[in-house]
Amino acid sequence: SQQGEEDPQALSIQEGENATMNCSYKTSINNLQWYRQNSGRGLVHLILIRSNEREKHSGRLRVTLDTSKKSSSLLITASRAADTASYFCATDGSGLTGGGNKLTFGTGTQLKVEL
Amino acid sequence: DAGVIQSPRHEVTEMGQEVTLRCKPISGHDYLFWYRQTMMRGLELLIYFNNNVPIDDSGMPEDRFSAKMPNASFSTLKIQPSEPRDSAVYFCASSPARPPSLPDTQYFGPGTRLTVL
Repeated sequence: SQQGEEDPQALSIQEGENATMNCSYKTSINNLQWYRQNSGRGLVHLILIRSNEREKHSGRLRVTLDTSKKSSSLLITASRAADTASYFCATDGSGLTGGGNKLTFGTGTQLKVEL
Repeated sequence: DAGVIQSPRHEVTEMGQEVTLRCKPISGHDYLFWYRQTMMRGLELLIYFNNNVPIDDSGMPEDRFSAKMPNASFSTLKIQPSEPRDSAVYFCASSPARPPSLPDTQYFGPGTRLTVL
């Protein structure tokens, strides 16, 4: 079964607005990653946050992690039409250090940014 | 680096035929993953390799599916015989080795869109 569940499933906003996507997971994790997938393409890594971190920034991206609630959020500020894509969270809950990096992906949020 | 390379990009075949999907990981990466993506089930991990050795194949749906990695630069995913329900986009991804306590990122190929008629 899927480890992560994204919310909402779909989001439509106007260019310039902020977009917030949420991810919930079930078991303890080592880290959580966010990926983007443009239509017809492979997934591209956006940002990674470790289990001992609470917030991380990368350009227009801001990720938060609340391990007590087993949830994460991805905020895209000042969205652009080029941000239109599906966004997935992925968790590494193997608990193995150096033993592999099996990821479990969530169901994804489809973001549409309109001009 | 050219990134992860997959071939073919599109494959259309008839039920019962053998299908072979190919992947070339990024040079120097020690891990290779095969995923399947469908609207109904999302992105599923089928199998992954570490240094050419299969580590976890628990996601392989059934015996019709097999994967090999004969060397560090090549892997195949084979379906024999194929069925319409195998229609999906199949992704290959690779990642570097992870020293203790350092998480790492997976790099995805463009995928192979498989249609089984």
